[in-house]
This record gives sequence, structure tokens and C-alpha cells, in this order.
Amino acid sequence: TQLLEQSPQFLSIQEGENLTVYCNSSSVFSSLQWYRQEPGEGPVLLVTVVTGGEVKKLKRLTFQFGDARKDSSLHITAAQPGDTGLYLCAGTHWTDKLIFGTGTRLQVFP
Amino acid sequence: EPEVTQTPSHQVTQMGQEVILRCVPISNHLYFYWYRQILGQKVEFLVSFYNNEISEKSEIFDDQFSVERPDGSNFTLKIRSTKLEDSAMYFCASSIDREAFFGQGTRLTVV
Repeated sequence: TQLLEQSPQFLSIQEGENLTVYCNSSSVFSSLQWYRQEPGEGPVLLVTVVTGGEVKKLKRLTFQFGDARKDSSLHITAAQPGDTGLYLCAGTHWTDKLIFGTGTRLQVFP
Repeated sequence: EPEVTQTPSHQVTQMGQEVILRCVPISNHLYFYWYRQILGQKVEFLVSFYNNEISEKSEIFDDQFSVERPDGSNFTLKIRSTKLEDSAMYFCASSIDREAFFGQGTRLTVV
């Protein structure tokens, strides 16, 4: 069973702080995606990483895929209240089935 | 911007009844999926569909579930005889290159 554990589970920070969310597994993934989900809505794709060690930036968000393709991180610089939401990592294992992580709920206070 | 649309947004049904959840994937997408999310739990894969047939399904997707693409635009999930534990958000997703785009979901409540 391929499991993706995210940490921390909950994170409350002040506007302007930096944060990192981790997504870890004992399994190798062929790709890893990060989604953001608002209450009562579907996950919205942020980024896909496929190569070990790959780093992608999306404005203040930096995503990294581990060298061994077993883990990933999401770093947010200077968090804003609009970053509040549930962040989900999801991996594929050489099929297109997404295995979702446990989620990190981020709250950014003004 | 193209999006995946799902109807209805909410569905309340009695245990044992059949429900059909509907989805219109993004028009040029080739791969279609159903996922579900029980309240407070992870998003779980149910089934993937490509070239008019199921390409993969999870243990959850038992004989009570079926999918269909009846007319080239809609993609449906049917639950034949609903159980209380089928209550969840059901998300349809589609992709063209394995990056999945999700709909807003249908909240199914079985009473």
C-alpha cells in the first residue's frame, strides 16, 4: 500500500511568515502533484513534479520533489491570508491513479 | 477557462435507492476519474476510465458502482443500492496528460 503522510497536519501562522509542508512516503512515485482544496470544493491543481530533485516555483510557492522520488515539500514565502486552505499532495505510481496524502490545513492570520 | 462540471451539487437519497452522479469533463480530455472524500478523511480513488472502458478501479468500486460515458460528453457514476457509508463528496476529474482537473463535487447524503 502506497501511503503519503503529510506534516504538519495543522498550521496556524501570522501573515508574512514562511512555512514548509512535507509529504513523505516509503514508496517511489512516478510523479507527485500538489493541490489546494477549499471547503466544499474540489482540489485545484497547483503543480506537478516528475523528476527526482526537481524544483518548481509558483510565485511565492516553491515545490520540491525528493531525489529518490519518495517525498516532496511545499514552501510558502511571506504567507498571506489568501493562502489559507487545505494543501494536498498526491502521487502516481506508474498509472494515472492519484494516491492522496493526509492533507495539511493552513490558516494564515492577518 | 475550461472546467469540469458536476451535477447535482447536493443529493439526498434514501438507503437502498439508486443514484446517478453526473459530470461533464473538459472537452478535449481523454482520461476520466471518480474520487470520493468521506467527511474529514482523505480523497480516495474510485475508478479511472479511458477509451470507453474502465482502466483501473479500487477495492471501494464494487458491484454496486458503475460508470458510463453515454453520449461522448457526460461521464456518470451510478450507485445501484446506496448504503449509509456511501455518504461522501464525490469528485469527477479529467485529464489529457495525466494532470487531473477536478470538478466542484457532489455531496451525497444517504439517509
